[in-house]
Amino acid sequence: SAVISQKPSRDICQRGTSLTIQCQVDSQVTMMFWYRQQPGQSLTLIATANQGSEATYESGFVIDKFPISRPNLTFSTLTVSNMSPEDSSIYLCSVANPGQNNEKLFFGSGTQLSVL
Amino acid sequence: AQKITQTQPGMFVQEKEAVTLDCTYDTSDPSYGLFWYKQPSSGEMIFLIYQGSYDQQNATEGRYSLNFQKARKSANLVISASQLGDSAMYFCAMRERFTGTASKLTFGTGTRLQVTL
Repeated sequence: SAVISQKPSRDICQRGTSLTIQCQVDSQVTMMFWYRQQPGQSLTLIATANQGSEATYESGFVIDKFPISRPNLTFSTLTVSNMSPEDSSIYLCSVANPGQNNEKLFFGSGTQLSVL
Repeated sequence: AQKITQTQPGMFVQEKEAVTLDCTYDTSDPSYGLFWYKQPSSGEMIFLIYQGSYDQQNATEGRYSLNFQKARKSANLVISASQLGDSAMYFCAMRERFTGTASKLTFGTGTRLQVTL
């Protein structure tokens, strides 16, 4: 299975600021995703990070609020912009390799974000 | 309608006993996958087990097994010989279609399992 490192593991931020979360995988993966888990809730997909092109966002999520980069097949970043307390959540990176054990989607350890 | 339904918000089980966590799903896609993940208090999501819609046999991974009843659209997780370390949130998830360009999971609301002495 892929080893996925997420940084930071947690952060406390001020309202109006931005935070960039990094996701590093120890092997090349075809697909990378970003999920959000609000307190006491289930996981919701934010977007699919596409290598070399703009991310594909799910309904309710926009690029201006959650810009995503994916410069190569092992790395992606998610930025939470102009934060408000409602953005306090766990943010998780997930990876998959179609055709290579593609049944299993692996997750990073998550970033616990608190916005004051 | 909910795509994934987990009706048990919380469950208790005694150590060394078996426990079943319920999951029902709703899809019209003939090709789908079902997943179970464990989320300890640390927040990470740990993959436990996978069942494909065309798999003939129920999936097993160590102490975890999936009771897949396709006609009933249920995919219950069975944990045998519970351990204190099994205390966590458990999420059932479904992938409805893998197109090669988009593959996403829809998660249930989770079941919090507490293993007691």
